[in-house]
Amino acid sequence: EDQVTQSPEALRLQEGESSSLNCSYTVSGLRGLFWYRQDPGKGPEFLFTLYSAGEEKEKERLKATLTKKESFLHITAPKPEDSATYLCAVLNSGGYQKVTFGTGTKLQVIP
Amino acid sequence: EAQVTQNPRYLITVTGKKLTVTCSQNMNHEYMSWYRQDPGLGLRQIYYSMNVEVTDKGDVPEGYKVSRKEKRNFPLILESPSPNQTSLYFCASRGDGYQPQHFGDGTRLSIL
Repeated sequence: EDQVTQSPEALRLQEGESSSLNCSYTVSGLRGLFWYRQDPGKGPEFLFTLYSAGEEKEKERLKATLTKKESFLHITAPKPEDSATYLCAVLNSGGYQKVTFGTGTKLQVIP
Repeated sequence: EAQVTQNPRYLITVTGKKLTVTCSQNMNHEYMSWYRQDPGLGLRQIYYSMNVEVTDKGDVPEGYKVSRKEKRNFPLILESPSPNQTSLYFCASRGDGYQPQHFGDGTRLSIL
């Protein structure tokens, strides 16, 4: 059974204080790892897809990296508008290509 | 604009009263899914569909039904809702291959 574990559950940062969120996974044949951002009362919003170990993707203050067992979402010099819950999900290689989500990291950036 | 539309956004109802949550996507996606999101449990898949007339159970299908008669629509049916189905529900769709999912804005259901 595929599993995704995210840590920490919650993270509080001062504006400008860089940090990283972790996503550890076990999956039967990884076809893709996704990062989403979710704001209160909204559906998850797609950020990145990573397909193979060593791959990196960047968007503004966010950078996602992937190894064979985990992914990191690095947040550089965060701003209050980066406050949200960040979700990690893996796509397996089965017939349906099932997506399994972690429970998320709730990030709060204090001005 | 590419989007997944769910209705209603909020619903308060009573135990046993049948209800349907509609989901529609305008991206011609093959894959559609329903999830429920509960505190501490994350997003859990209820049902999914790989194409018209092709549906299957996800991780928590008990008490739910779905149908996929048209490619764009994927309604979620609660035939006899119970309080343990109080939750935040999301519909999602994605194209073929290793594409990310697009989510609707959610439906908050309260079953009294």
